[in-house]
Amino acid sequence: SQQGEEDPQALSIQEGENATMNCSYKTSINNLQWYRQNSGRGLVHLILIRSNEREKHSGRLRVTLDTSKKSSSLLITASRAADTASYFCATDGGSGGGADGLTFGKGTHLIIQP
Amino acid sequence: GAGVSQSPSNKVTEKGKDVELRCDPISGHTALYWYRQSLGQGLEFLIYFQGNSAPDKSGLPSDRFSAERTGGSVSTLTIQRTQQEDSAVYLCASRVGRRTGELFFGEGSRLTVL
Repeated sequence: SQQGEEDPQALSIQEGENATMNCSYKTSINNLQWYRQNSGRGLVHLILIRSNEREKHSGRLRVTLDTSKKSSSLLITASRAADTASYFCATDGGSGGGADGLTFGKGTHLIIQP
Repeated sequence: GAGVSQSPSNKVTEKGKDVELRCDPISGHTALYWYRQSLGQGLEFLIYFQGNSAPDKSGLPSDRFSAERTGGSVSTLTIQRTQQEDSAVYLCASRVGRRTGELFFGEGSRLTVL
């Protein structure tokens, strides 16, 4: 079953603007991860935030986690054309399914207009 | 190897034929996952291997799909009597162990069934 659900499904912004993607989930988790996928490639891990953390930064990425609302957001600041990709959240340690509790959402397709 | 390696990268086959897809995980990673990704869609969990434990096959869509992992390393996903709806990208991923965070993905095997 799909635990994480990203929102929006697609997002198009101008280069230099900030991009925000959201992920909602249903059951308790140990951590939440964000991945990026360029067209025709495999997924690449971006950042992991643990259930006892509220915010985490990595370069131009900022991730927040609100366990009371069962939601997370990924913010990409000062976007670049090279950030064009699909972004997936993955909840880890949840219940209700195989894959050892690791479940991916359907992704947000981000397009950065030059 | 340095990363997760999958082969073939592309496979075109005729309906009814059997195909084998191979995944060579990162050395020392005991957890190995297979996912299926249809065009523009999210990841569909297929099967999970953890060490010497019995695999979690709960995501396999039909009995035409099977997978094995020999010696705790290389894994082969076999699809028998392929159908057109099997056309997708098959992604393999590994990580250090059970619920240990980051997944490392291969580049995928794109299967086209004519």
